[in-house]
Amino acid sequence: EPEVTQTPSHQVTQMGQEVILRCVPISNHLYFYWYRQILGQKVEFLVSFYNNEISEKSEIFDDQFSVERPDGSNFTLKIRSTKLEDSAMYFCASSLETEVEAFFGQGTRLTVV
Amino acid sequence: KQEVTQIPAALSVPEGENLVLNCSFTDSAIYNLQWFRQDPGKGLTSLLLIQSSQREQTSGRLNASLDKSSGRSTLYIAASQPGDSATYLCAVRLYNQGGKLIFGQGTELSVKP
Repeated sequence: EPEVTQTPSHQVTQMGQEVILRCVPISNHLYFYWYRQILGQKVEFLVSFYNNEISEKSEIFDDQFSVERPDGSNFTLKIRSTKLEDSAMYFCASSLETEVEAFFGQGTRLTVV
Repeated sequence: KQEVTQIPAALSVPEGENLVLNCSFTDSAIYNLQWFRQDPGKGLTSLLLIQSSQREQTSGRLNASLDKSSGRSTLYIAASQPGDSATYLCAVRLYNQGGKLIFGQGTELSVKP
């Protein structure tokens, strides 16, 4: 069964460093998303991406964040200068269209120290 | 602003019991609602997607209902098993927002053998 895969599963980084979280969405999907979940809190939407453009983003997704689809298979989330409060589980998701079922990856646990 | 709430926050039942998890949302103008399962430290597994025009959706021992006008959905789990122990999340999808999902905080279910 096709699945969304994320790497790495866990990343530890020092405050102020740049991190890139990687995702391989399901191959025929056209819409891609990033969400995050701070420990003990709700899953929060960060950004949606379609046709090489951001289609929707949340207030959390400020200038420190960027997304890219560098080739036909990968979808990345970059955090330019990490803060302690960026520590969270980051989930990538993909869907065929915006209004149908979204499938999530297993997540990358980001720890900023 | 759409808010999604899940009650109870935690539930412990003996194996074999039928149970109901509740989800409520403040704005009835949703496109659809998706139920997920999350195992500790893991990703989100999609369980059921119920469209705003549907009243219910079934998959195996799971049945999700939706009453859009009252802003409520329930997830019914029949004949619960220890393997059902997980956190169950509901999320609503709004119109014209790039497929963004708004999540509740989840119900942590424990099924005791």
